[in-house]
Amino acid sequence: AQSVTQLGSHVSVSEGALVLLRCNYSSSVPPYLFWYVQYPNQGLQLLLKYTSAATLVKGINGFEAEFKKSETSFHLTKPSAHMSDAAEYFCAVSAKNRDDKIIFGKGTRLHILP
Amino acid sequence: EPEVTQTPSHQVTQMGQEVILRCVPISNHLYFYWYRQILGQKVEFLVSFYNNEISEKSEIFDDQFSVERPDGSNFTLKIRSTKLEDSAMYFCASSGSTGVGLGSPLHFGNGTRLTVT
Repeated sequence: AQSVTQLGSHVSVSEGALVLLRCNYSSSVPPYLFWYVQYPNQGLQLLLKYTSAATLVKGINGFEAEFKKSETSFHLTKPSAHMSDAAEYFCAVSAKNRDDKIIFGKGTRLHILP
Repeated sequence: EPEVTQTPSHQVTQMGQEVILRCVPISNHLYFYWYRQILGQKVEFLVSFYNNEISEKSEIFDDQFSVERPDGSNFTLKIRSTKLEDSAMYFCASSGSTGVGLGSPLHFGNGTRLTVT
């Protein structure tokens, strides 16, 4: 079975500072990994996904994530935070079965301080 | 860009009543899902649907829940007799022809907020 653990339910960073949101996964098979963002009163929007090609994955809005098998991690980073990045971020995992579902972590709310 | 649409955006119902939440997935997608998010909690998988039948369902998806794809475009979630604990945001999602397991991501609607009083 697959699962993800997101460390820190709330993270606060200053505008312009590095964003680091942590995610560790557990999977009995090589996984696909995703980061989704949820803005207030909206659905979930895909930021980026890892599908076993490059281990460093670039997504939208300047975010990127690195798949590290040895650490079973898929942390999300952005070099310079912007006020518009304030949202809830969800790490997610799926197994490589065609009709598999995505399992979400508990989410990390990112606060941007002026 | 094609999107998943859900109606209504907010539904209030009394305990014991039946509700139907409606979704129109992206037109060429083949895999359909319902998730729910209780306020302040994680997004939980309810059910997946492919080829006109349920592929997988979670423990949450008990006999009170059912899904249908009645006309080839809509995808509905029915709760037969709502309980207070069914209050949540319900998200519909769809995935392309290769499915999530082959790297095709889920595309989510904006959700229906269900309030059971």
